[in-house]
Amino acid sequence: DADVTQTPRNRITKTGKRIMLECSQTKGHDRMYWYRQDPGLGLRLIYYSFDVKDINKGEISDGYSVSRQAQAKFSLSLESAIPNQTALYFCATSDHRTAEQFFGPGTRLTVL
Amino acid sequence: AQSVTQLGSHVSVSEGALVLLRCNYSSSVPPYLFWYVQYPNQGLQLLLKYTSAATLVKGINGFEAEFKKSETSFHLTKPSAHMSDAAEYFCAVSVGAGGTSYGKLTFGQGTILTVHP
Repeated sequence: DADVTQTPRNRITKTGKRIMLECSQTKGHDRMYWYRQDPGLGLRLIYYSFDVKDINKGEISDGYSVSRQAQAKFSLSLESAIPNQTALYFCATSDHRTAEQFFGPGTRLTVL
Repeated sequence: AQSVTQLGSHVSVSEGALVLLRCNYSSSVPPYLFWYVQYPNQGLQLLLKYTSAATLVKGINGFEAEFKKSETSFHLTKPSAHMSDAAEYFCAVSVGAGGTSYGKLTFGQGTILTVHP
């Protein structure tokens, strides 16, 4: 079984719709992250959470919100999706004792 | 704040040739450095990491990287490319322990490696 799972894996939606991407982990890590990947731009951090009560904005948080429902679950929401939010989204986890992050398989989101 | 620059968005080599992917970083404190690989339609997988121990780091699949503080570089190499090495490679930096920024990764733009027969 995968240590970091993301649902859905693919999603096509329309402008203005609310979308939620979910991430779950069985690694027992305290820290979780959401990134988006765009061609030629690498991965950019959207939000991160160092524990259940800690939520922090990353470099591109506008238009996104998150919820850390439990240590193992971290959801990303797009309140009103727009076409330039079309991208590949990754969830990642890490333990506070190391900087190494472990990535989920990604969610490909298309906003029409 | 830390930053990473990967020189060359695309690198093409012949099978059996040397692979060299370049990464330069900027950090005001001693960094942790990483190389990740992304195969088509997959997530990122850790290739290797530098965490202030040996400056020459060996990773999976025959890859290695050398941390050079004087050059602020962490280039990735493999002596002999294989067709299965074709993927996108990302260099990433994280600041060391201390402060709320510990654990955040900053990624380079990525380098797509193509291997020709």
